[in-house]
Amino acid sequence: GNSVTQMEGPVTLSEEAFLTINCTYTATGYPSLFWYVQYPGEGLQLLLKATKADDKGSNKGFEATYRKETTSFHLEKGSVQVSDSAVYFCALHRNSGNTPLVFGKGTRLSVIA
Amino acid sequence: DTEVTQTPKHLVMGMTNKKSLKCEQHMGHRAMYWYKQKAKKPPELMFVYSYEKLSINESVPSRFSPECPNSSLLNLHLHALQPEDSALYLCASSQERDRSSPLHFGNGTRLTVT
Repeated sequence: GNSVTQMEGPVTLSEEAFLTINCTYTATGYPSLFWYVQYPGEGLQLLLKATKADDKGSNKGFEATYRKETTSFHLEKGSVQVSDSAVYFCALHRNSGNTPLVFGKGTRLSVIA
Repeated sequence: DTEVTQTPKHLVMGMTNKKSLKCEQHMGHRAMYWYKQKAKKPPELMFVYSYEKLSINESVPSRFSPECPNSSLLNLHLHALQPEDSALYLCASSQERDRSSPLHFGNGTRLTVT
């Protein structure tokens, strides 16, 4: 079946530290991959996406590269800010069938000043 | 600001009450979704509407009844809920149900069942 595995949190970093949140997936075919972010008290927002192998998604200083050989889509940011504190969800969307997004369990990030 | 609007933001209801959650989008999206999210968990899919027709029901109990009156509106009717149904209910929409179309989420309705 299709699944997404994210690193366990919570992750606590100091401001300006480097961030990596690991995400690996299992899927048939060629899924699209997404990172969503959920700030406290809000719904989920699309952070970035990649639709085919070797694509790099980027937004607000965050990046993730679709690696088919390692079935990974790790999220990175070079210098985190307090305002990046949120829960981050990796997700995949199969290329066919009725099932929409498959979410990972989420990784809570806390950035301290 | 989110482009998917959900009302109310908070709802407290008793187990014998009937209430409705509302969701509206004006992005021309033809797929709309209801998700349930418990604390510290990812969203769980409940229902999917495509072109105003119910296309997915993830074995949701009948005390939850979705309705899609038109392409911009999505309702979730609630009746005889249980305390364990307390959660954040998220509405989302997307252009199509193809693999590259991202979901746009509302900020949710936080439901407490007493």
